[in-house]
Amino acid sequence: DQQVKQNSPSLSVQEGRISILNCDYTNSMFDYFLWYKKYPAEGPTFLISISSIKDKNEDGRFTVFLNKSAKHLSLHIVPSQPGDSAVYFCAASDSYNAGNMLTFGGGTRLMVKP
Amino acid sequence: ETGVTQTPRHLVMGMTNKKSLKCEQHLGHNAMYWYKQSAKKPLELMFVYNFKEQTENNSVPSRFSPECPNSSHLFLHLHTLQPEDSALYLCASSQDSRAGANVLTFGAGSRLTVL
Repeated sequence: DQQVKQNSPSLSVQEGRISILNCDYTNSMFDYFLWYKKYPAEGPTFLISISSIKDKNEDGRFTVFLNKSAKHLSLHIVPSQPGDSAVYFCAASDSYNAGNMLTFGGGTRLMVKP
Repeated sequence: ETGVTQTPRHLVMGMTNKKSLKCEQHLGHNAMYWYKQSAKKPLELMFVYNFKEQTENNSVPSRFSPECPNSSHLFLHLHTLQPEDSALYLCASSQDSRAGANVLTFGAGSRLTVL
């Protein structure tokens, strides 16, 4: 049973608009969440993270929101750029009990059209 | 070389072959990981080594055999694989696998095809 789910396999957005990628989780012990971006023929690269003590973390054009009661997090990219086109993975960990063991979602392919 | 380097990038092997995947990290990290990414499935954790000791084996079949001679190098030895083992194998490293809130740095992966 998947503990981290990204229900949208793909998303298409116009350049300059907002991209919103969603992620749901089931394990209430998860307390640290990350987003990774993956280009073809490259490994995933870290984008942004959030601890469960926060509900928002911002880094430039990227903002991650965490709704613990709904067990939901989202990544907002504003404004979206063609170079943002990639597969985005959310990941979660129970850092107290399992350290760095990350559980990944299946990914969402973002396409930003010029 | 910087970051996490994986070789070979592509590997095609028969079911009776024996081959190995290699991973090297130049980040001074103490933990190394093998992940498997199959088509249309999430990344699956296979093995974790922390300070050269295996700390996690996620019910991986014995036809996959990891080796971690030191904190900078990680191998995945492959033998008598099945076609369903065809996947992208990703290596990652982090400061310490027991410490939460550490970011994993991934290599580019080794694309394995089993005929």
